[in-house]
Amino acid sequence: EAGVVQSPRYKIIEKKQPVAFWCNPISGHNTLYWYLQNLGQGPELLIRYENEEAVDDSQLPKDRFSAERLKGVDSTLKIQPAELGDSAVYLCASSFGTGGTYEQYFGPGTRLTVT
Amino acid sequence: RKEVEQDPGPFNVPEGATVAFNCTYSNSASQSFFWYRQDCRKEPKLLMSVYSSGNEDGRFTAQLNRASQYISLLIRDSKLSDSATYLCVVYRGYGGATNKLIFGTGTLLAVQP
Repeated sequence: EAGVVQSPRYKIIEKKQPVAFWCNPISGHNTLYWYLQNLGQGPELLIRYENEEAVDDSQLPKDRFSAERLKGVDSTLKIQPAELGDSAVYLCASSFGTGGTYEQYFGPGTRLTVT
Repeated sequence: RKEVEQDPGPFNVPEGATVAFNCTYSNSASQSFFWYRQDCRKEPKLLMSVYSSGNEDGRFTAQLNRASQYISLLIRDSKLSDSATYLCVVYRGYGGATNKLIFGTGTLLAVQP
């Protein structure tokens, strides 16, 4: 069974440029999560989708970050414009069922460097 | 104060050693507890759940003390392949949209030959 797929794996952009990350969850997983992981820190939840509904986006900086999961399958996370402090690893995870269950499976992440 | 706190390490131990990691959490409403493992430049993966009665999986033993809000992980007979960051994770569930995993900063373990 394929795991969570993310692309790109690495991205280098200049500040003020836009960037987008894509995630395809494990087949059949209806809950999808985007996390941010800074160096030396644990992952922090940005947004959680149950199917196509964003049920928790309280930690998403909405002035520059946006996300969508239009058909309840794959998802895109966007930053516009990027700032130096956005350099981090962006992890996508998925789980079967709803309610923020702990059995989350993570993708390999996108490592973003903003110069 | 972070909701989940861990000693960041690094813990440098020789092969065959026993090593213990500790973690404390501040939210008494936390419902479930876990240890995740994260290899360098890789994604986190669930290592084991933690139960009040204590649970063991091979060389790994996890313990939970709800009264003290304290979680531990013991690794016996350390292997080189155990070198990784160990993340203490708490499932906080107030219900509905706010249910979420809260990750500690992780403890780095380096097993030396």
